[in-house]
Parts: sequence; C-alpha cells; structure tokens
Amino acid sequence: SQTIHQWPATLVQPVGSPLSLECTVEGTSNPNLYWYRQAAGRGLQLLFYSVGIGQISSEVPQNLSASRPQDRQFILSSKKLLLSDSGFYLCAWSKSSYEQYFGPGTRLTVT
Amino acid sequence: SQQGEEDPQALSIQEGENATMNCSYKTSINNLQWYRQNSGRGLVHLILIRSNEREKHSGRLRVTLDTSKKSSSLLITASRAADTASYFCAGNAGGTSYGKLTFGQGTILTVHP
Repeated sequence: SQTIHQWPATLVQPVGSPLSLECTVEGTSNPNLYWYRQAAGRGLQLLFYSVGIGQISSEVPQNLSASRPQDRQFILSSKKLLLSDSGFYLCAWSKSSYEQYFGPGTRLTVT
Repeated sequence: SQQGEEDPQALSIQEGENATMNCSYKTSINNLQWYRQNSGRGLVHLILIRSNEREKHSGRLRVTLDTSKKSSSLLITASRAADTASYFCAGNAGGTSYGKLTFGQGTILTVHP
C-alpha cells in the first residue's frame, strides 16, 4: 500500500531564516506531487506541482521554491522566511487526474 | 482563484440528523471531488463524481452534480459525532495528466452527541 510522509510535523522559525520541508511517498512510482498551503484551517492554495523528477510548476509567485530530486521525494524550500509564510503545508500525491492522497502536514510558524 | 465555494461556511447539527453541504464552481470540470479534514490533519478523499454523472453514493455519503448550474452537494445521512470535521470540494478541470485540483474554502461541520 502507498504511504506519504512529511516532516517535520511542526516548525517554528524566525523571520529571515531558511526553510526545508520534505515529503516522501512509498509504494508507488512516478506519482504526481503537490505542495499546498492552508491558512487558518480553510481552503487550500496550490503552490507547486510536479509530474516527474526535476520538473516543477509554480502556481503562485512567492517566497518559496520546490524541488524533486528523486521520483518520490518533494522538497519545499525558502532562503529567507517571511511572516506571511506561516501556515499549514500539505503535500499530496496522485496518479492521473483522480483523487489525491495527502500527508499529515507541517505546521509552520514564522516569528 | 478558488474553483469551489462551499455553503454554508459552518454547520452545526445533532447526532442522527442529516448534513447537507453545497459547492459551486466557476469553470468547467472533468470531475469534482469531496475531501474531509479533521482538525490539524491532512485531507482524506471521500468521493469523486465525474462530469457525466449526476449522483453517486458511498456508504452514508450521497453526492450530486449539476453541471448546468455548476454546483454539487454532499449529503451525510445519520450523522455521528465522529463526522465532525471540515469538508472541502475540489474541481479538476481536466485536459492535463497531473490532476490539478482547485479547492473551495470548506464547510466546518460540528455534530453534537
């Protein structure tokens, strides 16, 4: 069966510090991968998606970047965090255009 | 921009009652999906309805889709306290292989025991 992991679960970082969030998927190959941000427990905003190694599409201009160094690894990064980067970050995977499977999320607080 | 807009934003009911949540979307879709999120957790896929389907059932869940009105509804019958969660609709516009979804703002459902 497939599983998706995210770490860390929670993170408190000062403004201006770097960020690296990791997502890994097990039990499937060549998944589509997604990074979302959720503010205040409401709707999800798609940040990045990837259909293959090294391929990243950005949905919104922002202070963040993403990379996919391996087939089942997706990384969200920032060189300098802003207060507005605080939120709940969710990674998800899918095959084709059907249901997505979400990780447990990372709660990021920028102070 | 958000594809789906849920209504109501919050719903409070007693255990055993039915809960109905509505979703409207703006652009054409290939399929529409409903997800559930318990507080502080990841989302869990509930049900998917394709654009050529009008109604779908899964256990206590019933989803309808009206493409002419660009709307969908999720009905949870005989609700339980464990159904307390946020519910999101998400539209997939199709035409691509990566299944990009656009989520609505969600409905917060509280079921009182």
